Amino acid sequence: DAKTTQPPSMDCAEGRAANLPCNHSTISGNEYVYWYRQIHSQGPQYIIHGLKNNETNEMASLIITEDRKSSTLILPHATLRDTAVYYCIVRGDRDDKIIFGKGTRLHILP
Amino acid sequence: KAGVTQTPRYLIKTRGQQVTLSCSPISGHRSVSWYQQTPGQGLQFLFEYFSETQRNKGNFPGRFSGRQFSNSRSEMNVSTLELGDSALYLCASSLEGGGPPGTQYFGPGTRLLVL
Repeated sequence: DAKTTQPPSMDCAEGRAANLPCNHSTISGNEYVYWYRQIHSQGPQYIIHGLKNNETNEMASLIITEDRKSSTLILPHATLRDTAVYYCIVRGDRDDKIIFGKGTRLHILP
Repeated sequence: KAGVTQTPRYLIKTRGQQVTLSCSPISGHRSVSWYQQTPGQGLQFLFEYFSETQRNKGNFPGRFSGRQFSNSRSEMNVSTLELGDSALYLCASSLEGGGPPGTQYFGPGTRLLVL
């Protein structure tokens, strides 16, 4: 079973920030939070990952709560090309199986 | 740098046949993972190879097998195909080293249709 819970779908207006939540209440100390997205019929694309601190790259920002039980992926200025399924996963060790949940289907509204 | 490549991109087989799919990881990447994606079950982990050894395995029957070669290229094989094996098969590679478990880079997938 997936170690994360995400809402099945979300809408966001084009140009606005998209905030995608992820619950990982059973995360352990050595587990990282990873975000990927999958645009229709393509392979998933890595977005960002973090352990404790907030992270930012050219694609997105990742905000992890202090207790690490949840996180939020922020796409600062959503465009139509950000329409995709977004997956949040946790993984601590290279021996861990990588389990994708159902993800959140993000619709960007023009 | 070239991305992960998978061949073939599309494949049609009939029940009972077998199929071999190929994956070439990003240059320098030593870990290769395979996933099956279907509308009903989503993305499911099949197995992961590192340095020619299977490091992890998902919950799939023995009909699904794989291997990795010394150049890190990987193949997966499905024998005695069933209709339910119709899916998008994705390969992902990662650069192993110190620090967090490797970020995975996915290929475009092979779409298999079993008739």
